[in-house]
Order: sequence, then C-alpha cells, then structure tokens
Amino acid sequence: EAAVTQSPRSKVAVTGGKVTLSCHQTNNHDYMYWYRQDTGHGLRLIHYSYVADSTEKGDIPDGYKASRPSQENFSLILELASLSQTAVYFCASSPGLGGTNTGQLYFGEGSKLTVL
Amino acid sequence: GEQVEQLPSILRVQEGSSASINCTYENSASNYFPWYKQEPGENPKLIIDIRSNMERKQTQGLIVLLDKKAKRFSLHITDTQPGDSAMYFCAARPMSNYNVLYFGSGTKLTVEP
Repeated sequence: EAAVTQSPRSKVAVTGGKVTLSCHQTNNHDYMYWYRQDTGHGLRLIHYSYVADSTEKGDIPDGYKASRPSQENFSLILELASLSQTAVYFCASSPGLGGTNTGQLYFGEGSKLTVL
Repeated sequence: GEQVEQLPSILRVQEGSSASINCTYENSASNYFPWYKQEPGENPKLIIDIRSNMERKQTQGLIVLLDKKAKRFSLHITDTQPGDSAMYFCAARPMSNYNVLYFGSGTKLTVEP
C-alpha cells in the first residue's frame, strides 16, 4: 500500500503569517503534487514536481511556493497567508506514466488550514 | 491543460437504485479518465479508470462509459448501498502534460435507506 504522510494535519494560522505544509512519501515515486480542495471547486493543482530540486506550477500557483529537496519530500509554502487560502490541502505521489503505470495518484490524508 | 466539468454536484438516491455522474472535458487529446472516491474525512482513492482506447469498463458494480466524440465520460453505480455515500471526482489527463490530472468539481452522493 502506497504511503503518503502530511504534516501538520490541521493548522490555524494568522493572516500574513508563514505556513509550511510538509509531505513525505515512501513509495519511491518520481511525481509529487499539491492539490487544494474547496467546496464547489473540487481538487485544484497548485504545484507539482517530477524530480528533486525542481518544481512546476499548476493551475493556481499564486500565493504558494513549493520545494522538493529530495525524492521523498515535497513542501508547500505560504509566505503571507491570506483568508482565501483557508482550505484542505492534499499531497499526492505518482509513479508517473510508463509501462503498466497509469499515473495513478496516491493521496495523503490532507491538511486542514484555517487562516484567521 | 484541461477543463473538466462535473454534474450533478449533489445526488441523492434510494438504496438499491442506480446513480449516474457525468463529466465533460475540453481537450480532445486527453486519453485517461479516472474516478476517485472520497469518503468523509478521508483522502481520495482511485475506484475505476478508463483509457481512450475503450468505450466501456465495468468492475464491482461500477460502470464507466467514454464517448470521445462528445468528449464526455460517466460513472454509473448500480445497486447503490449506504457505503457508496461519498464524494466522487472525475479527472482527465491531457496528452500535453500526461503526468498531471485535472479534476472535476465533485459530486456528493448520498444513498438513503
């Protein structure tokens, strides 16, 4: 069973503060993703990475930075948290497309962020 | 990228009946269409998927149909049970960025006894 763990699972932050959400995978997957979940918007891609020390922008990268220091770890950084960033954030890993792999995503448990 | 529209956003059915969720996509080059189920407080999990070289796929009470001409795909849950109550997300993967999935907005399915 694929294993993706996120921390913290829940966080309350103040507007203008810095928030770091961390993700660790033991799947030996090349691809890692950060999605944001809001009611009525489904899962929207913020950033993703296919190799250590490299990140790519998704559909909604504004206000977020990402860091992939190693294959196993992928962080999402909110330098100046805003009210609109209150949401549940999901990290996911994937072996990517190739061979018998369909690029299935394995999600972490989610991190609920509340910005006050 | 890709834009995926999903309807309905809320669906209530009686236990034992069937439930259908529909999704449309814009990029005709998209070639992979998975469905994820998210139970309350849990993370999304893959339940079934279909590739563009197929029109129909069935597994364990789930049926997925793909109409490439209409750029539409759908999930049908037969003989629904209370355990099917959850959020369901469709997704599509474009050829232009084949390692990224674009998700629909989700359908909250409630199966009533």
